[in-house]
Amino acid sequence: EAEVAQSPRYKITEKSQAVAFWCDPISGHATLYWYRQILGQGPELLVQFQDESVVDDSQLPKDRFSAERLKGVDSTLKIQPAELGDSAMYLCASSLSETSGGAPSYNEQFFGPGTRLTVL
Amino acid sequence: DAKTTQPPSMDCAEGRAANLPCNHSTISGNEYVYWYRQIHSQGPQYIIHGLKNNETNEMASLIITEDRKSSTLILPHATLRDTAVYYCIVRVWGGSEKLVFGKGTKLTVNP
Repeated sequence: EAEVAQSPRYKITEKSQAVAFWCDPISGHATLYWYRQILGQGPELLVQFQDESVVDDSQLPKDRFSAERLKGVDSTLKIQPAELGDSAMYLCASSLSETSGGAPSYNEQFFGPGTRLTVL
Repeated sequence: DAKTTQPPSMDCAEGRAANLPCNHSTISGNEYVYWYRQIHSQGPQYIIHGLKNNETNEMASLIITEDRKSSTLILPHATLRDTAVYYCIVRVWGGSEKLVFGKGTKLTVNP
């Protein structure tokens, strides 16, 4: 069964350092999401891509976070510099598309295993 | 903010039905109810969704009240592997509206 791949699974870094996370969505999935999940909370969307274009980055702290999906396939989320409050699980998800043949449709989001970030 | 209210935790005996409630009193006519679950140290997993009719799949059943202000996810025969956090989410069908997760319900299935 196809899965969303993420790496690394765990990352420990010191504050002010740069970190990067990688996500490879399920083949053929045009929509890609990055979520952040603080311990004890539900996931919160950081950024959403449709192919290589950003659809929603309203919750992305743009002063330190950046995300790209250059060829519309895999994606990288970067934090520079990392802060103590960035310690969290970073989840990537993908779905076929928000639209199908011009009509809105829902395709379930498939989540990867996440990257657990600890900032010391 | 999440548009749903769920109890923070529930317990269920293995083999019995688990009934997880969700209140969504401000749901709009074009919003669907979705359920995801998250097993410890894994990403969330889609379970089921519905608009106003009851829905059933191989994982669970979803019962939505006639006024659509609340719903119940039913796991008919809970197993230990069903121990997870269950999220109830309301979302417009289609478009680019994101999933907004609340804190969910931590379901513990006991042997």
